[in-house]
Amino acid sequence: EAAVTQSPRSKVAVTGGKVTLSCHQTNNHDYMYWYRQDTGHGLRLIHYSYVADSTEKGDIPDGYKASRPSQENFSLILELASLSQTAVYFCASSDGTGGCAETLYFGSGTRLTVL
Amino acid sequence: DAKTTQPDSMESTEGETVHLPCSHATISGNEYIYWYRQVPLQGPEYVTHGLQQNTTNSMAFLAIASDRKSSTLILTHVSLRDAAVYHCILRVVQQGTGSKLSFGKGAKLTVSP
Repeated sequence: EAAVTQSPRSKVAVTGGKVTLSCHQTNNHDYMYWYRQDTGHGLRLIHYSYVADSTEKGDIPDGYKASRPSQENFSLILELASLSQTAVYFCASSDGTGGCAETLYFGSGTRLTVL
Repeated sequence: DAKTTQPDSMESTEGETVHLPCSHATISGNEYIYWYRQVPLQGPEYVTHGLQQNTTNSMAFLAIASDRKSSTLILTHVSLRDAAVYHCILRVVQQGTGSKLSFGKGAKLTVSP
């Protein structure tokens, strides 16, 4: 069974509306991450968190907020959705040891379309 | 993390051995080489990693050049399930800092029956 689950799997939002993407992990991992992927491109890091109630900015945080209410849950919030935020969003977790064997475990993604 | 260069795409046939190249000419001594793969409608999946020595696991063999400026992911007896985008990524390993990887476009592997 999937250890990182995202909801919803897809969403259509209106420009200017608020969007919340949710992620839940059962890996007992300290680190969680939000990435976005645009068609034909790689993944870019938006926000990440290494402990509950704390989040950190990634490479492209503008226009996004994140929330980590518990070790298992990590949300990505678009307060005012824009057309440019149409993308596939991936959540991931890792154990946070920073060792060479640390790997990312990804969810299946949420396809967000902003109209 | 330093930049890597991969071909945009590669083609193979079921049962063949595939060599996926990755160039990382400016790699630093403390950077590890990671490979992830991504199939459509899924997030990336870890394949393997290495520092200097060749490594092997159930998914692939990673050959690293002696000067570490390039590496090759070798997939043997490929099947249709191996069709994916393969990402070659460099990462500086630091204890207690997580794994904030940067993914490029990767190389799309197509496998024909």
